[in-house]
Amino acid sequence: DGGITQSPKYLFRKEGQNVTLSCEQNLNHDAMYWYRQDPGQGLRLIYYSQIVNDFQKGDIAEGYSVSREKKESFPLTVTSAQKNPTAFYLCASTPRGVRTGNTIYFGEGSWLTVV
Amino acid sequence: GQNIDQPTEMTATEGAIVQINCTYQTSGFNGLFWYQQHAGEAPTFLSYNVLDGLEEKGRFSSFLSRSKGYSYLLLKELQMKDSASYLCAVRATNSGGYQKVTFGTGTKLQVIP
Repeated sequence: DGGITQSPKYLFRKEGQNVTLSCEQNLNHDAMYWYRQDPGQGLRLIYYSQIVNDFQKGDIAEGYSVSREKKESFPLTVTSAQKNPTAFYLCASTPRGVRTGNTIYFGEGSWLTVV
Repeated sequence: GQNIDQPTEMTATEGAIVQINCTYQTSGFNGLFWYQQHAGEAPTFLSYNVLDGLEEKGRFSSFLSRSKGYSYLLLKELQMKDSASYLCAVRATNSGGYQKVTFGTGTKLQVIP
């Protein structure tokens, strides 16, 4: 079945450590997104990408980095520069067209905790 | 940038009707999504409006007015399982030609007996 796979589901990070969250989709979607959600809050956009080898900063990109070497993959690295990374992270994808892109598909999310 | 506003919390009675409003300010508007999210889970799709008007889908309906930057989600015959957060999201194309999807902070709906 087509969908988005995020891994790991739960991740613990030590102070000063970089960690990478994986996001893979087999939906042949051009656009992919990373969002962060804090408890009781909405989704905030970290980075997004429309095509391979191209991505744009969202509203809270500081302390994060991404790559888009393949259409299917959009990994997110939480760097040591992100001082408060504990949150729920959601990867999403959508077709590029305005009308065809009428649904955003989400992965199941990754919980990141700083220890 | 984009500015999306929704009420933070709402309470409604089982069997009743509730309307959740969303206002937005953006350029390059493409469409507006509504998603439902239960705590600790990924959001699930409810609706997507591109043109003005009301779209009905079972107990859920969504309305859009592009000229007013306004949308609402209407939930009828409320059930206890409808207690969740409802997220409004706007899809827009920025000056660089990139399509961006931005979410509001969400409305937490509590359905009471």
